Amino acid sequence: QSALTQPRSVSGSPGQSVTISCTGTSSDVGGYNYVSWYQQHPGKAPKLMIYDVSQRPSGVPDRFSGSKSGNTASLTISGLQSEDETDYYCCSYAGSSVVFGGGTKLTVL
Amino acid sequence: QVQLVESGGGLVKPGGSLRLSCAASGFTFSDYYMSWIRQAPGKGLEWVSYISSNVNTVYYADSVKGRFTISRDNAKNSLYLQMNSLRVEDTAVYYCARDLKLWASDFWGQGTLVTVSS
Repeated sequence: QSALTQPRSVSGSPGQSVTISCTGTSSDVGGYNYVSWYQQHPGKAPKLMIYDVSQRPSGVPDRFSGSKSGNTASLTISGLQSEDETDYYCCSYAGSSVVFGGGTKLTVL
Repeated sequence: QVQLVESGGGLVKPGGSLRLSCAASGFTFSDYYMSWIRQAPGKGLEWVSYISSNVNTVYYADSVKGRFTISRDNAKNSLYLQMNSLRVEDTAVYYCARDLKLWASDFWGQGTLVTVSS
């Protein structure tokens, strides 16, 4: 149950797009199409943004999209807004368990 | 509306025990899988445990296996986490979460802080 690898930080200007990567192994990200992404503002509970690699729960803007290639999943946020500045975590099924990434801090310049 | 309210956190000495509770409302609790997920101060999220809607299936992270026990009472709309042999590294905010899937929690409580310290 090793943590998935995410960049510690990414940044982008308002209106631009940014992509956050999440790298695992064939035992988790690469083995299943069961990747989720969470957004967490300071002091708040996480919010589900993407599940099953690319599905958006109702209420999540379509500026947020997910994809996967091999052992790496990605979250892309287009049309960056100031309120997108916060922490993002990926998560994957790993066969009778779940593993999270270490988290990525998104800065909107 | 969906609400999950955790309770039972606090300060405990290493080797001690604590029982967390999560009261659910606003949805049919017995229809959903549930999980506990924790976050150490200033750190990332760590999945702890999962229980199926009918209690037939439970999973644990290796870090808590043999020490923590997840349970639920569908009649009381409640989820529990019995934590024994607590370690300093168990210090964290513990979140109760409703699961769309084992790997996708669509509603979270606000968390309860567990501090393990001598």
